[in-house]
Amino acid sequence: DTGVSQDPRHKITKRGQNVTFRCDPISEHNRLYWYRQTLGQGPEFLTYFQNEAQLEKSRLLSDRFSAERPKGSFSTLEIQRTEQGDSAMYLCASSLSLPNEQFFGPGTRLTVL
Amino acid sequence: DQQVKQNSPSLSVQEGRISILNCDYTNSMFDYFLWYKKYPAEGPTFLISISSIKDKNEDGRFTVFLNKSAKHLSLHIVPSQPGDSAVYFCAASIQGAQKLVFGQGTRLTINP
Repeated sequence: DTGVSQDPRHKITKRGQNVTFRCDPISEHNRLYWYRQTLGQGPEFLTYFQNEAQLEKSRLLSDRFSAERPKGSFSTLEIQRTEQGDSAMYLCASSLSLPNEQFFGPGTRLTVL
Repeated sequence: DQQVKQNSPSLSVQEGRISILNCDYTNSMFDYFLWYKKYPAEGPTFLISISSIKDKNEDGRFTVFLNKSAKHLSLHIVPSQPGDSAVYFCAASIQGAQKLVFGQGTRLTINP
């Protein structure tokens, strides 16, 4: 399978714990994005990488969130001291430089108890 | 503020007929528009896109129309098939920026 993959698919954690998600983009794509989706809403942009450089971060990305893309390949999204409001589907997408057609992975569903 | 709006939360269409999904936007800087389809427990799947230099783009059963003066786009699916039942999201971007701004989605149900 050569699409975007995400791990884990589901994560249940207790409030206050740290969690880390991984995304493997389509291999030839140099751009990688993280979005968050809550029930009844469309995906909301969190952050974007071009190669290993993190070029844009949304106001939604509080200090408890950090994302990395070492060596411009896979990416990780870490949430520290999780809160119940962090419960959502976290989506990763990748694309070429142009056009901006982003291809999404299956998502990681986070539930914070 | 909601820059991309899909005002119909749901739509029901008979199999074989045309499905028309609508989307409005407020930011005149948007110049690239996309439609995605999403099944439960899966990520959005890219369907079709259109640049602001065009007013129509067609791919098989899917056609997207863009009316820049009205800041409105629509997705036509014809003929509709049961496998088209899903949530459809429109998204917009500015080519110099990278993030996609999504609407809230429309749940399409195709009835046999």
